[in-house]
Amino acid sequence: EAGVVQSPRYKIIEKKQPVAFWCNPISGHNTLYWYRQNLGQGPELLIRYENEEAVDDSQLPKDRFSAERLKGVDSTLKIQPAELGDSAVYLCASSAGDRGLPDTQYFGPGTRLTVL
Amino acid sequence: GQSLEQPSEVTAVEGAIVQINCTYQTSGFYGLSWYQQHDGGAPTFLSYNALDGLEETGRFSSFLSRSDSYGYLLLQELQMKDSASYFCAVYNTDKLIFGTGTRLQVFP
Repeated sequence: EAGVVQSPRYKIIEKKQPVAFWCNPISGHNTLYWYRQNLGQGPELLIRYENEEAVDDSQLPKDRFSAERLKGVDSTLKIQPAELGDSAVYLCASSAGDRGLPDTQYFGPGTRLTVL
Repeated sequence: GQSLEQPSEVTAVEGAIVQINCTYQTSGFYGLSWYQQHDGGAPTFLSYNALDGLEETGRFSSFLSRSDSYGYLLLQELQMKDSASYFCAVYNTDKLIFGTGTRLQVFP
């Protein structure tokens, strides 16, 4: 079974530029998560999708961040414009979402973003 | 508020046993999970405890005491490949909240 796929693995941009990250979850997983992990810290949830619906985006900085999950499968996270403080690893995770909590989450390798 | 505390770093030698503690303060507690993350890699699920007691999976065991808001991950027969960061994470109502992680270094 293929795991969570993310691209790109690395991205270097200048501040004020836009950037987008893509995630393909494990096949059949209804729930998809985007996390941000700063150096030396644990992952922090940005947004959670149940199928196409964003059910928790309370931690997403909506002035510059946006996300979508069309057709309830792949997802894209966008930052526009990027700031220096956005440098971090952006992790995507998915879970089956059909058994209620708790629901084991499976993580992708992440995209390491560097904003110069 | 919600918080999880775990040691920032632990060192041990191959073949030894190490325990990584986690204390938490949160509302809507469902259970405690542990994840392993190698440098540059994805967090990988290790264990989940919903009830008090010890859960064993091979060389790794995880313990939970709900009354003490405390848990630990026990790693036995340490191997070099166990060098990684270990995160405790609390299931809180509808989300997973991670601690800051414990970096384990295993020496020959």
